[in-house]
Amino acid sequence: QVQLVESGGGVVQPGRSLRLSCAASGFTFSRYGMHWVRQAPGKGLEAVAFIWYDGTNREYAESVKGRFTISRDNSKNTLYLQMNSLRDEDTAVYYCARVNPHSDYWGQGTLVTVSS
Amino acid sequence: QPVLTQSSSASASLGSSVKLTCTLSSGYSRYIVAWHQLQPGKAPRYLMKLEDIGTYNKGSGVPDRFSGSTSGADRHLTISNVQVEDEADYYCETWDSNTRIFGGGTKLTVL
Repeated sequence: QVQLVESGGGVVQPGRSLRLSCAASGFTFSRYGMHWVRQAPGKGLEAVAFIWYDGTNREYAESVKGRFTISRDNSKNTLYLQMNSLRDEDTAVYYCARVNPHSDYWGQGTLVTVSS
Repeated sequence: QPVLTQSSSASASLGSSVKLTCTLSSGYSRYIVAWHQLQPGKAPRYLMKLEDIGTYNKGSGVPDRFSGSTSGADRHLTISNVQVEDEADYYCETWDSNTRIFGGGTKLTVL
């Protein structure tokens, strides 16, 4: 069955970097777009970054543009989110999800806490 | 880009029915909407995809109690015979080209 497992979250100081990973299994990863969605404490869902099935096109929320980079390695069935210049407001649970074109499978999420 | 509007909260008695609504902004009434369920400590769960003509396709394993309907720009998620385990946050989602948009979410309380 489809599985998405995020990793890489943790506590990080403002201004530092973190890289999240999402390991996919149970489907042909290279055929689907993927995206990262986050939920800050007490807030709703926010789509953060999207990448096409082949990595040729990417889209970012204005709140992270220029600081976050989404990428993928189809040979490893893995999605990444490189987060630089982290801010307090980036504190959230980060989910990866398969795009079909709606989000049809989600991971359990990984918590990122930005705090000094 | 479309905007999705949801009521912040709803409640339903055990065994009753509840209809949650997601409204598409003006000019986007034909967009497809997906519904998701979020519960603490669990992976979000895709429930269904709902089209402008009212047809819907549910995700794998979604109980029959969950159904969808459409009225103009409104996309409804109806839960019949509400159970305790249905207490959750429900979000609608749509997309425009490469951009995905979520509604603000509705917190469902089961009484």
